[in-house]
Amino acid sequence: GQNIDQPTEMTATEGAIVQINCTYQTSGFNGLFWYQQHAGEAPTFLSYNVLDGLEEKGRFSSFLSRSKGYSYLLLKELQMKDSASYLCACGNTPLVFGKGTRLSVIA
Amino acid sequence: EPEVTQTPSHQVTQMGQEVILRCVPISNHLYFYWYRQILGQKVEFLVSFYNNEISEKSEIFDDQFSVERPDGSNFTLKIRSTKLEDSAMYFCASSEGSRGPSYEQYFGPGTRLTVT
Repeated sequence: GQNIDQPTEMTATEGAIVQINCTYQTSGFNGLFWYQQHAGEAPTFLSYNVLDGLEEKGRFSSFLSRSKGYSYLLLKELQMKDSASYLCACGNTPLVFGKGTRLSVIA
Repeated sequence: EPEVTQTPSHQVTQMGQEVILRCVPISNHLYFYWYRQILGQKVEFLVSFYNNEISEKSEIFDDQFSVERPDGSNFTLKIRSTKLEDSAMYFCASSEGSRGPSYEQYFGPGTRLTVT
């Protein structure tokens, strides 16, 4: 079976840094994805980790530890437009999504 | 920038009716998917399609559902005899496939299906 856990909600202040954690248990593993989903919209691809370590992409970074079944998404210099749900997904075939973390950025 | 398109954006249908949701994937992509998201819940995989046939399907994708690629551009999801619990947002996605089928799937804007 597959299980993906991430916090339901988080709140952070504009300009700050926030880390969204994800733990997973899966029978097969082909990488860990993070997607952003604004309310009422489609998910959009943010990052992909298949090897352990940190991948940096502008204000967003993603980390993976395969031995711990753990990933996090780090968002720096938060902006109001970053208020959205962040979906952790295991890149098996098919892609399996977690329930998402709703991030609220406040002034 | 190329994008996945879906029509219609909203569909209201009566219980028991059939609906067809349409998608145009990105033109050079080889893998196509349908997902659904019931309001407030997680995105759930329905089916993947490659080389003109279903490559994977979930438990949700039972005999009520079917997919088709009727021509070189469209990818459709048919839901027969709709039920109230089929009310959801249906997303189509596509991926190029050069780094594996799951890598960087591009999602369409979705079709909100309401069954009354």
